[in-house]
Amino acid sequence: NAGVMQNPRHLVRRRGQEARLRCSPMKGHSHVYWYRQLPEEGLKFMVYLQKENIIDESGMPKERFSAEFPKEGPSILRIQQVVRGDSAAYFCASSPSSGDEQYFGPGTRLTVT
Amino acid sequence: DAKTTQPTSMDCAEGRAANLPCNHSTISGNEYVYWYRQIHSQGPQYIIHGLKNNETNEMASLIITEDRKSSTLILPHATLRDTAVYYCIARPSFGNEKLTFGTGTRLTIIP
Repeated sequence: NAGVMQNPRHLVRRRGQEARLRCSPMKGHSHVYWYRQLPEEGLKFMVYLQKENIIDESGMPKERFSAEFPKEGPSILRIQQVVRGDSAAYFCASSPSSGDEQYFGPGTRLTVT
Repeated sequence: DAKTTQPTSMDCAEGRAANLPCNHSTISGNEYVYWYRQIHSQGPQYIIHGLKNNETNEMASLIITEDRKSSTLILPHATLRDTAVYYCIARPSFGNEKLTFGTGTRLTIIP
């Protein structure tokens, strides 16, 4: 059973460009979570989604960030007009249902130049 | 979510048991104690969780005090690959699915 998959593993964007980060949950998992880890800081929750629904986006910045988890395909975290402060590791986790333990992917390291 | 307090760092000799403490004195009755670890630059890895009974799996044991105000994660035979940051998290059993990571304990296994 493959684990949580994220791609790309490394992404370089210039200021003002868009970044799209993808997350494929573990097989049978319909709950997806995104976390961000800024350099030398801890992991911070961003958003929690179920298929086609955003359940909790209390950790998402108000502007430029959006997330989706369509009926088919991976979950996408989208960052528009990236700035240097968006440089971070973005981790996705999945669980089979709410309240279960979450399993994390390897992360996408975003560098904004 | 209840706040947890952990030592900033610890060392343990390879082959010995690593005992990582966590204080969660304000934990409520419906909050589980979860442990995750993050090996350098990798995604966090789930280790174990418990409510009030001690738990054991293939990775570790979790000992929770009777008053549930503190717990200890035990890695029975530490190896160099156990060097990581270990996070203790108090998480409600329902209604709040997100994990709130603190600063954790940086465990270094000494050869």
